[in-house]
Amino acid sequence: GQSLEQPSEVTAVEGAIVQINCTYQTSGFYGLSWYQQHDGGAPTFLSYNGLDGLEETGRFSSFLSRSDSYGYLLLQELQMKDSASYFCAVRDNYGQNFVFGPGTRLSVLP
Amino acid sequence: DADVTQTPRNRITKTGKRIMLECSQTKGHDRMYWYRQDPGLGLRLIYYSFDVKDINKGEISDGYSVSRQAQAKFSLSLESAIPNQTALYFCASQEGEGETQYFGPGTRLLVL
Repeated sequence: GQSLEQPSEVTAVEGAIVQINCTYQTSGFYGLSWYQQHDGGAPTFLSYNGLDGLEETGRFSSFLSRSDSYGYLLLQELQMKDSASYFCAVRDNYGQNFVFGPGTRLSVLP
Repeated sequence: DADVTQTPRNRITKTGKRIMLECSQTKGHDRMYWYRQDPGLGLRLIYYSFDVKDINKGEISDGYSVSRQAQAKFSLSLESAIPNQTALYFCASQEGEGETQYFGPGTRLLVL
């Protein structure tokens, strides 16, 4: 089976840095994705790690360690608009599908 | 115009009714997906299709059926709706084994 764990909630202040962790157990692993979802909105793609290491896209970075079955999303210079839910998703079954984690709700305070 | 559209955006129905949720995409993607979202549970896969002639069950397919009428269209049906199917439903498309899924705006379904 597959399971992913994320913290349910994280709170930080504007300008700060926050890290959202994701641990997974899957049968077959292809890569780890991160999606952002604002209240009432659709999930939107943020990043993908197919290999170990750090991927950087502007203020957001994502890290993967296959040996630890662990990844994280790092958000820097937090802005109020970053308040949203963040989901990690594992690409498993030899790349056929994505399995999503339960999501982490990030609240950015002024 | 949105690349992935879903209709209706909101639907209220009664237990036992048959309903259909529709999804269209203009991105030319071959793969399409239906997910269900419940609070605290993330997105769970209902059905997916890799091309017009390919339909596959996901994690929670019981009580649902799908039809891939064309490459651009993928509809989800609830044959006999029940209250625990009350949820937010998302359609998504993906190009081959690409890294990104593109989601529609969602359909909020309430079964009374």
